[in-house]
Amino acid sequence: QVQLQESGPGLVKPSESLSLTCTVTGGSISSYYWSWIRQPPGKGLEWIGSIYYSGSTNYNPSLTNQVTISVDTSKRQFSLKLTSVTAADTAVYYCARDTYNHGMDVWGQGTTVTVSS
Amino acid sequence: QLVLTQSPSASASLGASVKLTCTLSSGHTNYAIAWHQQQPEKGPRYLMKVNSDGSRTRGDGIPDRFSSSSSGPDRHLTISSLQSDDEADYYCQTWDTGIRVFGGGTKLTVL
Repeated sequence: QVQLQESGPGLVKPSESLSLTCTVTGGSISSYYWSWIRQPPGKGLEWIGSIYYSGSTNYNPSLTNQVTISVDTSKRQFSLKLTSVTAADTAVYYCARDTYNHGMDVWGQGTTVTVSS
Repeated sequence: QLVLTQSPSASASLGASVKLTCTLSSGHTNYAIAWHQQQPEKGPRYLMKVNSDGSRTRGDGIPDRFSSSSSGPDRHLTISSLQSDDEADYYCQTWDTGIRVFGGGTKLTVL
């Protein structure tokens, strides 16, 4: 069965860039969208953006100037880069398989990122 | 603008049933949604997709205690025979071209 695992630094300094990778195991990365979602402490889920396996992207309009999502199908990985981070970007970051018209049906366990000097 | 509205909290007794509601914004009342469960200190888990006619597609391993219905802009998740580990946050989610949207979540307390 498909499993997702997020990886990346747990601490990022303000104004620097946050970079995370999600590795897909147990299934193909092809023919799906792949999404990043975050959850600030004590708050709800926020969609960051999605990428189709072919490379086309969609971003949350509130984050579009800050976000880049990319995919490497040969490694079965997709990645998130968030630039110029502030304390407001402190959150648990999740990756998910996005079947588009069925919703996000497989989730990673999440990784905590803290923005602090 | 595509928006999903959920009540912040709900409660029901062990063994009873509870109905959670997710309301679609005007102009989007025929959209399908997905329900996700997030138990304390865990990541979200996909429960099901709910169509405008109330029909559903459950995720892998989701028991039939979890069911759904629809009425106009409302998409309902009904959990029957409540168990202690049903105590969780429940999020609805939908999609349109180029966008994904989450509701604010409902915190379910099992009494």
